[in-house]
Amino acid sequence: GDSVTQTEGQVTVSESKSLIINCTYSTTSIAYPNLFWYVRYPGEGLQLLLKVITAGQKGSSRGFEATYNKETTSFHLQKASVQESDSAVYYCALGAFNTGNYKYVFGAGTRLKVIA
Amino acid sequence: DMKVTQMPRYLIKRMGENVLLECGQDMSHETMYWYRQDPGLGLQLIYISYDVDSNSEGDIPKGYRVSRKKREHFSLILDSAKTNQTSVYFCASSFWGLGEQYFGPGTRLTVL
Repeated sequence: GDSVTQTEGQVTVSESKSLIINCTYSTTSIAYPNLFWYVRYPGEGLQLLLKVITAGQKGSSRGFEATYNKETTSFHLQKASVQESDSAVYYCALGAFNTGNYKYVFGAGTRLKVIA
Repeated sequence: DMKVTQMPRYLIKRMGENVLLECGQDMSHETMYWYRQDPGLGLQLIYISYDVDSNSEGDIPKGYRVSRKKREHFSLILDSAKTNQTSVYFCASSFWGLGEQYFGPGTRLTVL
């Protein structure tokens, strides 16, 4: 079946430093999947951070960016300079059509802690 | 105001008791979802509903059932809760096939 792997359960970064959160995916769909990053702030539900539906394209939002790389099946999340307010849990996800239905698969999430 | 609500936010039950988790959305989305999340795992799909009375099992439906009698409301029911159903439950909604899901804040369920 389809899967999404986030290798880091938690990442700690100093404020103003750069960030990369790794995400790789695997799908049995014959079409390229849509790829998403969601973020969950304390006490809130997941909210969409960015999405990319075309392989080779880059998505960006709030200073974060991610490039859909179909060769390496990766969709890493990057930010050049993090702030304390970026502390949250980040989820990589893919959406694909499978047996006639649209289905999501989520990674386990990466908790980002930004320290002053 | 695009919103998904979940009630209750926190719940403690004893093994064998029945549990009702409620979810509402105000966006007229036809598709709604119930997920659970456990430490170290991604969100696991329990049930998906494509519209009123049109529900399908997700990846882990055993021990759960759902009810959708109105488009804006989707319930998750645990008949005779088990300790391994302790988890955080998320409800979400979307327009079919467009990809982006809108999530509620989650319900933390503890079964003792």
